[in-house]
Amino acid sequence: SAVISQKPSRDICQRGTSLTIQCQVDSQVTMMFWYRQQPGQSLTLIATANQGSEATYESGFVIDKFPISRPNLTFSTLTVSNMSPEDSSIYLCSVVIVVNEQFFGPGTRLTVL
Amino acid sequence: GENVEQHPSTLSVQEGDSAVIKCTYSDSASNYFPWYKQELGKGPQLIIDIRSNVGEKKDQRIAVTLNKTAKHFSLHITETQPEDSAVYFCAGKNSGGGADGLTFGKGTHLIIQP
Repeated sequence: SAVISQKPSRDICQRGTSLTIQCQVDSQVTMMFWYRQQPGQSLTLIATANQGSEATYESGFVIDKFPISRPNLTFSTLTVSNMSPEDSSIYLCSVVIVVNEQFFGPGTRLTVL
Repeated sequence: GENVEQHPSTLSVQEGDSAVIKCTYSDSASNYFPWYKQELGKGPQLIIDIRSNVGEKKDQRIAVTLNKTAKHFSLHITETQPEDSAVYFCAGKNSGGGADGLTFGKGTHLIIQP
């Protein structure tokens, strides 16, 4: 596996503001993903973070709302833009180390007031 | 796309008994099925997975079975212990579909009664 860290671990934000979440891995990985886990719910894939190119977004998620950067093979950021209370969730990054096997970071717990 | 159904949503078992969680999937092209354990306040932890070329896989007290014909797979935990209490998620993936992520079931809250 790999050591995956996320910053911040939690935050409380005002509606209308934006928050950037960082994901750092201790080794180079080919594939990184961002997921959202709404309170008491399952995980939903937001996008695949592609190194050196635009992220690939799933249905229901758009770049203007969730811009993603992937400048290198160990780091990615997810921004939650123009937040509303409905964006209150846990945001998780994951990486693929061995073929198919995804490992998750600890998550960022976001509360929007 | 893939749809994964998971049940039960809550499962309570006596310590030492076995627990079984079941999932079904819709995409017959899916060929990778992991199981995750999520403890309160933590990210999901990969505990076991199975690929479509095998029917069963075991790792100590944990086993996963896969029935490709029926498109369902199950997690079996034997000799349950208090530390097994957590939310368990199944997931599916079509490895031939490019750089896709996982589709998750809704989760099972496993409660081990002392």
